[in-house]
Amino acid sequence: QKEVEQDPGPLSVPEGAIVSLNCTYSNSAFQYFMWYRQYSRKGPELLMYTYSSGNKEDGRFTAQVDKSSKYISLFIRDSQPSDSATYLCAFTNTGNQFYFGTGTSLTVIP
Amino acid sequence: AAGVIQSPRHLIKEKRETATLKCYPIPRHDTVYWYQQGPGQDPQFLISFYEKMQSDKGSIPDRFSAQQFSDYHSELNMSSLELGDSALYFCASSLSERRTGVRTGELFFGEGSRLTVL
Repeated sequence: QKEVEQDPGPLSVPEGAIVSLNCTYSNSAFQYFMWYRQYSRKGPELLMYTYSSGNKEDGRFTAQVDKSSKYISLFIRDSQPSDSATYLCAFTNTGNQFYFGTGTSLTVIP
Repeated sequence: AAGVIQSPRHLIKEKRETATLKCYPIPRHDTVYWYQQGPGQDPQFLISFYEKMQSDKGSIPDRFSAQQFSDYHSELNMSSLELGDSALYFCASSLSERRTGVRTGELFFGEGSRLTVL
């Protein structure tokens, strides 16, 4: 079983839609949960970073962590064409190694 | 704000040649990571350094080596290049919590170095 599972998409939504991105993980030792956004040919950019179960909101983005189900989500409200990118979930337990999902490709259509 | 700087941005090499990639972490960050990302793939961890000492090793081939220097910049050396080494190579840096020394999950990536092996 892979450490991290993420649906690669692609996901295509109209502008203004709510987007839901999800990842599951198998390692219960993971303590830190992250979402990265990666534009084509660019480095991943940290979007959201959470430590515990629950919700964390930052502008149009909400990260949700459910440790009991080993499931994390990223919600994007009022999606914009500039949100079109690949979204990677990432996990670590001690900060020594990070485990990434394969990324979900999102296109927001104007 | 200063970001992670990588050079060169693009590199073309032939099989069996060598290549060196450089990374300058964010000032005061104490940990540097190297990742390899193939087309359409997630970043694969290669190696990391904490305070200039090798910290962790991932799927780094024996043909590759890396080190971190006294000024905290890091170099990834790749020898006997193969076609399969063509990828984006990312460097990332992070800062440990001062009180506990625990490294958190906040990785900051550079723009990447694109290596093409012909």
